[in-house]
Amino acid sequence: DSGVTQTPKHLITATGQRVTLRCSPRSGDLSVYWYQQSLDQGLQFLIQYYNGEERAKGNILERFSAQQFPDLHSELNLSSLELGDSALYFCASSVQMLDTQYFGPGTRLTVL
Amino acid sequence: ELKVEQNPLFLSMQEGKNYTIYCNYSTTSDRLYWYRQDPGKSLESLFVLLSNGAVKQEGRLMASLDTKARLSTLHITAAVHDLSATYFCAVRYGNQFYFGTGTSLTVIP
Repeated sequence: DSGVTQTPKHLITATGQRVTLRCSPRSGDLSVYWYQQSLDQGLQFLIQYYNGEERAKGNILERFSAQQFPDLHSELNLSSLELGDSALYFCASSVQMLDTQYFGPGTRLTVL
Repeated sequence: ELKVEQNPLFLSMQEGKNYTIYCNYSTTSDRLYWYRQDPGKSLESLFVLLSNGAVKQEGRLMASLDTKARLSTLHITAAVHDLSATYFCAVRYGNQFYFGTGTSLTVIP
């Protein structure tokens, strides 16, 4: 158990819908990262926050957005969902920005 | 965009044998990560390598970094079944993280 929690574990929804994935970092970690893992695209870095501020942006679609709240938990919002958005979404956290990252168990999103 | 290539993609090895997984990347980076992922599970951080010539070891795994060659290796010594997993390298470049395709390792008794 890494200490990073993600909810929900599984999410099944329809195309065109909007979902929110939640991540709670390890106690004391200030940096949160979001990743997408799919069979065709592999592991892709989406976005990073540090102490509430966006610090790096990767291959994140415009339909996706994220934020980190004052209590340091983070949410990833996915809207206008398409079949191709079906994937595992991982959240990770670290103490500082470039430290070892600890990954949560992931949220498996299925878009039907 | 930085490219990260791992080879081999699949590796089947017998217990007790040694082998090396290679990770090549296309642009200079100051930080390289190795992760392990068990089937259906999340990623576990193995090593963070920061500088040229860095070598880190944990149990039967040893990782090294050659920044001039843009190459990192993950060496497995005397493999055991518990090491069966997929291993990913990842490179930090311009505040982003780029992952290799992963090497699926199966250790056969």
